[in-house]
Amino acid sequence: DIQMTQSPSSLSASVGDRVTITCRASQSISSFLNWYQQKPGKAPKLLIYAASSLQSGVPSRFRGSGSGTDFTLTISSLQPEDFATYYCQQSYSIPFTFGPGTKVDIK
Amino acid sequence: QVQLVQSGAEVKKPGSSVRVSCKASGGPFSSYVISWLRQAPGQGLEWMGRIIPMSGTTDYAQRFQGRVTLTTDESTSTGYMDLSSLRSEDTAVYYCAREGVGSTYEYWGQGTLVTVSS
Repeated sequence: DIQMTQSPSSLSASVGDRVTITCRASQSISSFLNWYQQKPGKAPKLLIYAASSLQSGVPSRFRGSGSGTDFTLTISSLQPEDFATYYCQQSYSIPFTFGPGTKVDIK
Repeated sequence: QVQLVQSGAEVKKPGSSVRVSCKASGGPFSSYVISWLRQAPGQGLEWMGRIIPMSGTTDYAQRFQGRVTLTTDESTSTGYMDLSSLRSEDTAVYYCAREGVGSTYEYWGQGTLVTVSS
């Protein structure tokens, strides 16, 4: 199975801050990397697919980059509704594995 | 508008089985892969397996092989996840999700809490 890691595991930030979350795969997954946002008690929401494509309806302050084994999710200017947990997911090979998550909370 | 509506919460004894259903609406049921994932309390997301309704073809994560069975009923646009030999570690919220382009998950059910406790 492909192992996914994320860093940091949590971070505190203020509204307006630029936030960067890193995801690493245990082997090359090309660009088969997706990002999700999850709020407490809710199902995850797809933000970014294929490493850098913005899902329809997702604000442009979210940006994904990377390929191979190293990927990044950047939120250019954190908004109050962005406080949540973020997960990366590889869709290169079954089982489709997720990173452990990065919790973004209010400083 | 695609919707996935799951069955309600369950409380089960260790060693028993559970069935969770996922009823789809707003789209062609047979054309899309339905995946099942779970999330233990305070933990991350874990992919369990998927099924192609049109063919019944399934893929399972190795760790669930032999304990999980995915099926669908095209006449009711419903998917089912059966998990047997339940143990306390299976306590989790179980989600169904429709697999889209690039094996992404745009549409999710609301989640079903399964609690395994003696």
